[in-house]
Amino acid sequence: DIQMTQSPSSLPASLGDRVTITCRASQDIGNYLRWFQQKPGKSPRLMIYGATNLAAGVPSRFSGSRSGSDYSLTISSLESEDMADYYCLQSKESPYTFGAGTKLELK
Amino acid sequence: QIQLVQSGPEVKKPGESVKISCKASGYTFTQAGMQWLKQAQGKSLKWMGWINTNTGKTTYAADFTGRFVFSLETSASTAYLQITNLKNEDMATYFCAMGYPDWFAYWGQGTLVTVSS
Repeated sequence: DIQMTQSPSSLPASLGDRVTITCRASQDIGNYLRWFQQKPGKSPRLMIYGATNLAAGVPSRFSGSRSGSDYSLTISSLESEDMADYYCLQSKESPYTFGAGTKLELK
Repeated sequence: QIQLVQSGPEVKKPGESVKISCKASGYTFTQAGMQWLKQAQGKSLKWMGWINTNTGKTTYAADFTGRFVFSLETSASTAYLQITNLKNEDMATYFCAMGYPDWFAYWGQGTLVTVSS
C-alpha cells in the first residue's frame, strides 16, 4: 500500500499566520492527491483535488502545491474558521490511503 | 442539491451484525459510484472500498474483505454497508462518500457504530 506521511501532527498558529501542512508519498502518485478539512463531529470536506485545484466553494486563501513526492496545503492567512483537522489522501492506487492528519489549533 | 443521508447510530454486541444505509438525493443515483470509509475515534480515515451503482460491482480494500458487504437498493437511491460478526475494533464512525465522477466531493454525515458487550 502507498503510505502517506503527513506532518506536522499538530500545528499551533495565530490568526493571520501563513501555515503549511505537508504529505509525502511513499511512491509516485502523480497529482492524485486530495486535501480534506474536518471539524469535530462533522464529515470531511474536500478542499483540494488534483494536488493543486481548489474545490468548489473553498476560500482562495487555501492552496495546494507539489514538489516531487511532497504535497503541501497552504493557508495564506489563517482565520478562526480554519481551525480543524486536515488530511491528505492519495487516490492513485487502491487501496486509497490517508495521511495521519494535522490538528490546526490556535496558539 | 446533492445530499447523502445516513442512518442513525447503532449499538451492537460483539458477534452481531449491523447494516448502515446511505440515501442519495439531488442526482441520478446510478450515475455516481459510492464509497465507504471508516474513522475510529480520534484517528484518521480508512478507505474501505466502493460500489459501482450502475453495475453493482464492488471493490474492497484488503482490510475490509470477508465481513464487510456493500449493496444497493437502486429503486430507493440507497447504498448499504453491512458488517457481520462485529468485533471491538469495528467500533467507529462510518461514512459514505460519492465516488465517480466527483470523487469525495460529497459525504454522508456519518454513522457511529458502538460495539459493546
